[in-house]
Amino acid sequence: DVKVTQSSRYLVKRTGEKVFLECVQDMDHENMFWYRQDPGLGLRLIYFSYDVKMKEKGDIPEGYSVSREKKERFSLILESASTNQTSMYLCASNPGGDNEQFFGPGTRLTVL
Amino acid sequence: QQPVQSPQAVILREGEDAVINCSSSKALYSVHWYRQKHGEAPVFLMILLKGGEQKGHDKISASFNEKKQQSSLYLTASQLSYSGTYFCGTESRSGNTPLVFGKGTRLSVIA
Repeated sequence: DVKVTQSSRYLVKRTGEKVFLECVQDMDHENMFWYRQDPGLGLRLIYFSYDVKMKEKGDIPEGYSVSREKKERFSLILESASTNQTSMYLCASNPGGDNEQFFGPGTRLTVL
Repeated sequence: QQPVQSPQAVILREGEDAVINCSSSKALYSVHWYRQKHGEAPVFLMILLKGGEQKGHDKISASFNEKKQQSSLYLTASQLSYSGTYFCGTESRSGNTPLVFGKGTRLSVIA
């Protein structure tokens, strides 16, 4: 079974802190994605990556950056967390082509 | 631009049928459907591709009208386990383009 894991299920940080959200997939997938999910807004794409060291901005990249040093790991970085970044963050991967995305369990981040 | 899903929410009794729609203002190459139960990750249901190919679970039924840029998910003889939020994700072209997800349709099935 494909497995996408995220480093934390729940995280509480203070305004201004640097926050790292880690995502690891174990099926050698080429593509990885970071979404945020807010009530009534659905899943919105923050960043995605189609290859190691490659990254592309999604629809809402402001305030975020990413890192993909190894194929299996895709990190989301909040350089200076703000309260409006309180949200559920979902990581996903897929092997490319016309194939399904596999989602991680999500990290619920609260910024105080 | 996000596809538009309708209805936003629906309540069914066990055994009833429902249709969830997904509509885009752009020409579509594919439509993906996912279901998310409360507190869990979204789970894949189906992919519908331009030209008629479908991939997904045998028990799920869906259609894709390329001309109207619309897709519908058909849930028949609903069960309690069908409850959750359904998302459609759309691609406007083939290749490595990310999905754009709708806002979701919340489905509640009651006994």
